[in-house]
Amino acid sequence: QVHLVESGGGVVQPGRSLRLSCAASGFTFNIYAFHWVRQAPGKGLDWVASMSYDGSNIYHADSVKGRFTISRDDSRNTLFLQMNSLSPEDTAIYYCARSSGSYEDDAFDFWGQGTRVSVSS
Amino acid sequence: QSVLTQPPSASGTPGQGLTISCSGSSSNFGTSTVNWYQQVPGTAPRVLIYSNDLRPAGVPARFSASKSPTSASLVISGLRSEDEAVYFCAVWDDTLKWVFGGGTKLTVL
Repeated sequence: QVHLVESGGGVVQPGRSLRLSCAASGFTFNIYAFHWVRQAPGKGLDWVASMSYDGSNIYHADSVKGRFTISRDDSRNTLFLQMNSLSPEDTAIYYCARSSGSYEDDAFDFWGQGTRVSVSS
Repeated sequence: QSVLTQPPSASGTPGQGLTISCSGSSSNFGTSTVNWYQQVPGTAPRVLIYSNDLRPAGVPARFSASKSPTSASLVISGLRSEDEAVYFCAVWDDTLKWVFGGGTKLTVL
């Protein structure tokens, strides 16, 4: 049974950093691509970043490029999102999602329950 | 403003059929397939349709979809109360990013 569990969210001041984690279980982690998608309060889905199964393809949304970094640790079956220079516009629920295949352009077939990030002074 | 355009809301009565549209451009619909996600309030999204018209295991056959060069449609036949949710379309854009529609909130009257 596929499980994705996000953690690391919280309340943080503007300009500070957070590192989100997504612990995966129930499948072979290192053959799948992964993504981070966020949802601001009352808003739609907003893609943040994607990484292929082997880390050779990494993409970030323009709105987070240079501030956020997606990474993975296959030995720990864990996906990460390092978020620096946070601003109030980054306030959202952050979801980890698995690709249905090895690459970043495959559909998101499983989602975690999300971790909430609030950026406020 | 979302790259893909969806109607913000839709409604229907139980048993009725309904179509939700998603329109884009050649840079996203041209070579990529369309995926649809359903999000029940307070829960994470789940995939409803992938690769334009394929249903994952567990998704009822009442849900179907199609794609044309610059638009896509999600069709729900025989509406049920549990279909009340927000529906999002998504494609992998030529500029190497995922783009989502703004979402369509479906109300079952």
